[in-house]
Amino acid sequence: DAGVIQSPRHEVTEMGQEVTLRCKPISGHNSLFWYRQTMMRGLELLIYFNNNVPIDDSGMPEDRFSAKMPNASFSTLKIQPSEPRDSAVYFCASSLGQGKAEAFFGQGTRLTVV
Amino acid sequence: GENVEQHPSTLSVQEGDSAVIKCTYSDSASNYFPWYKQELGKGPQLIIDIRSNVGEKKDQRIAVTLNKTAKHFSLHITETQPEDSAVYFCAASTNKLTFGGGTRVLVKP
Repeated sequence: DAGVIQSPRHEVTEMGQEVTLRCKPISGHNSLFWYRQTMMRGLELLIYFNNNVPIDDSGMPEDRFSAKMPNASFSTLKIQPSEPRDSAVYFCASSLGQGKAEAFFGQGTRLTVV
Repeated sequence: GENVEQHPSTLSVQEGDSAVIKCTYSDSASNYFPWYKQELGKGPQLIIDIRSNVGEKKDQRIAVTLNKTAKHFSLHITETQPEDSAVYFCAASTNKLTFGGGTRVLVKP
């Protein structure tokens, strides 16, 4: 397996634009997590899915953020409209068994909002 | 919710010396404690984990200890090498991982 695949690797967008980040988890994994990493706040859990169902979205900062998992092999994180303070590295991770087993992280998407 | 504190934030050691990173957690229900290593430009990668029914675990040069009563756990790296230089994160979990703030480790040759 190629591991968790995220796209794009880098995204530069203007304030106010819509941004969509994509993630393909490891085949067979039933849990998927979206994290945001910044120098100030470290690694923050935004939302996680179990069996394609959102379980906990308490980390989603604002209504501008939304996430979907239409099937077991694909998830998106959307920011609309984007703001400069959304600039960060966004990681997707997948695992077997929610947060009780090894989480495999993708390479991340570095988002810059100007 | 869970809160994980990690110390120190930076650690510089001489090659061959040991490195120790300490974490505390707040939720007594947490029962899974992984440690991740993150290299520049990459996602975090698991290096070792421990569950609440075990007090200590070792894998070659890396060991973790867990004190559930005190709610703290530690990572020990012995005989450090330059390739151990990275950012290390502890985490605590019931159903979701909560990460500590990270420790930047620099191993000087």
